[in-house]
Order: sequence, then structure tokens, then C-alpha cells
Amino acid sequence: EPEVTQTPSHQVTQMGQEVILRCVPISNHLYFYWYRQILGQKVEFLVSFYNNEISEKSEIFDDQFSVERPDGSNFTLKIRSTKLEDSAMYFCASSRTSGLYSSYEQYFGPGTRLTVT
Amino acid sequence: DAKTTQPPSMDCAEGRAANLPCNHSTISGNEYVYWYRQIHSQGPQYIIHGLKNNETNEMASLIITEDRKSSTLILPHATLRDTAVYYCIVRVEYMASGTYKYIFGTGTRLKVLA
Repeated sequence: EPEVTQTPSHQVTQMGQEVILRCVPISNHLYFYWYRQILGQKVEFLVSFYNNEISEKSEIFDDQFSVERPDGSNFTLKIRSTKLEDSAMYFCASSRTSGLYSSYEQYFGPGTRLTVT
Repeated sequence: DAKTTQPPSMDCAEGRAANLPCNHSTISGNEYVYWYRQIHSQGPQYIIHGLKNNETNEMASLIITEDRKSSTLILPHATLRDTAVYYCIVRVEYMASGTYKYIFGTGTRLKVLA
């Protein structure tokens, strides 16, 4: 069964450093998402991406964050200058369609645990 | 933004049915209810979804009340491997962009007991 993959599984970085989290969505999916989960809290939507541009973003997704699909397979989340409060598990997800008038689910990757020290 | 309310934890005996409730009293007419589970800190795993009608698949059944203000996920014969956090999710659509997002609740930690 096809699956979403994410690398690295764990990233430790110092405050103020830039990090790039990588995801390989399922190959025939067209819509991509990032969510995050701070330890002990619920999963929160960050951003959705389609056709090489951001579709929607949450208030969490400020100017420090950016997303990119640099080639036909990877989908990346960049945090420009990490803060302690960015420490969380970051999940990438993908879906076949947008969902409007359909009900295709999102498939989640295993996550990248980001620790900012 | 909170759309769903779930009990924080439940226990269930192995082999028995696990019934996990969810309240979503502010759900809109075109918003689907999804259920996912998360084992340890792995990525959320899809279980089932529905809009108005009850649904069943190989993993579970979903019962949605007629007024759509609440639903129940039923795992018919719980096993130890079903021990996980179960999330009731409302799918919010953005008509302008044609995309959607999941709004996760805080989840129910289900413990299946031997």
C-alpha cells in the first residue's frame, strides 16, 4: 500500500537556525498538507498546497514558515529561524483530490519530531 | 475553532465492542465527520468518515445522529492492538480555494484490557 514518507524522523536544532522538513507524498496525490502536534496537545493544521501554491494557511503559519515542492516528488516545510515553541511533531499529509463534493481522506506520514534547544 | 468534544479516556475489554462518542454540535451541513487514530506518536491513521448516513467498513462503524450533532465510532471486537488515541475530526472546506482542512479534537485515549 502506498504511503507518505517523511525525513528525518527526528531533528534537533538550535534556536535561530533554519530547518527543512521533507516529505514524499503518495505519487498520484495532488493536495498536500502540513500539520503539527505539540507534545500532549492536539494536531493542528498549518497549511495546504496545490498546484505549486499555498491554498490555505492557519494563523500559526507566519512568515517564518514556507513550503515548497522543489521537484515532482518532494514537499518541504522550512522554518527560517526556529524558536523554542516550534518544538513539535510535524506531520505531512496528502490527498487525491480537494475534497469538495467528494470525501477522499488525507493520508498522514509518520512525522518528524523537531526539537529546538 | 473547536468543533468536537470527546471524553479524554475510555477502557474496553478485549473482544468487546468499543463505543467512542463525539459531540460536534456546531457542525455545518456540508462538513464531514472523520475518525482517525494515533498509536503512540505515529501519524494519524484513517478509520472511517461520514456525512449524514451511518457507515461501516472493515475496521469500524460510524453512527451519526439525525441532527448530526453527535456521532459514535464503534469498534465491534476490540483487540489489544486497538489501544490508541482516537480523534473525531470535522472537515472544514474552503470553497474559494477548493481545499479543506481537518480540525482535530483532543481525542479519546482508548485502552483495551486483556
